[in-house]
Amino acid sequence: EDQVTQSPEALRLQEGESSSLNCSYTVSGLRGLFWYRQDPGKGPEFLFTLYSAGEEKEKERLKATLTKKESFLHITAPKPEDSATYLCAAVVLAGANSKLTFGKGITLSVRP
Amino acid sequence: KAGVTQTPRYLIKTRGQQVTLSCSPISGHRSVSWYQQTPGQGLQFLFEYFSETQRNKGNFPGRFSGRQFSNSRSEMNVSTLELGDSALYLCASRAGTGILTGELFFGEGSRLTVL
Repeated sequence: EDQVTQSPEALRLQEGESSSLNCSYTVSGLRGLFWYRQDPGKGPEFLFTLYSAGEEKEKERLKATLTKKESFLHITAPKPEDSATYLCAAVVLAGANSKLTFGKGITLSVRP
Repeated sequence: KAGVTQTPRYLIKTRGQQVTLSCSPISGHRSVSWYQQTPGQGLQFLFEYFSETQRNKGNFPGRFSGRQFSNSRSEMNVSTLELGDSALYLCASRAGTGILTGELFFGEGSRLTVL
């Protein structure tokens, strides 16, 4: 069974304290991996798509990386507005189609 | 450009009732997918529609059903509601035909509470 596990479940950082969020996956036929950000009461907002091991993408204070077993979302010098739940999702083959399997998310709180 | 619109935003039902949720995708998007989000299980895929055809389905009982209309608007229905159906139901639309052809745009969700 395809599984996507995110750790830690929750993370509290001081403003400016850099850290990494982990997304490990056990899936057959990974075709891609997404990162999303979700604010309370809102739907997830797309951040990155990674397609192959070794790939990296950056956006402001965020950098996503992908290996053959896991992905990391690195947050450099976070600010309070980075507080949100971060979700990763693996794209896997499902018969003739593909499907998304999400992790349960990591809730990040950044204190000023 | 308007985003994905879901209605209603909040609703309360009792066990045994049925519910219909609506989703209007971003203009021009022909793919609509539905997800259930709960604290314990996270985001789980329900089904995806493209051009009025169901392309993929998650592991949910037959009480969960959906459809898509010719204007790409979609509805999902849950019959014989159970307490465990309480969740945030999210709709997402995409411009392309495959999951990797474009990012998913999510609506703000319909929060269903079953009493």
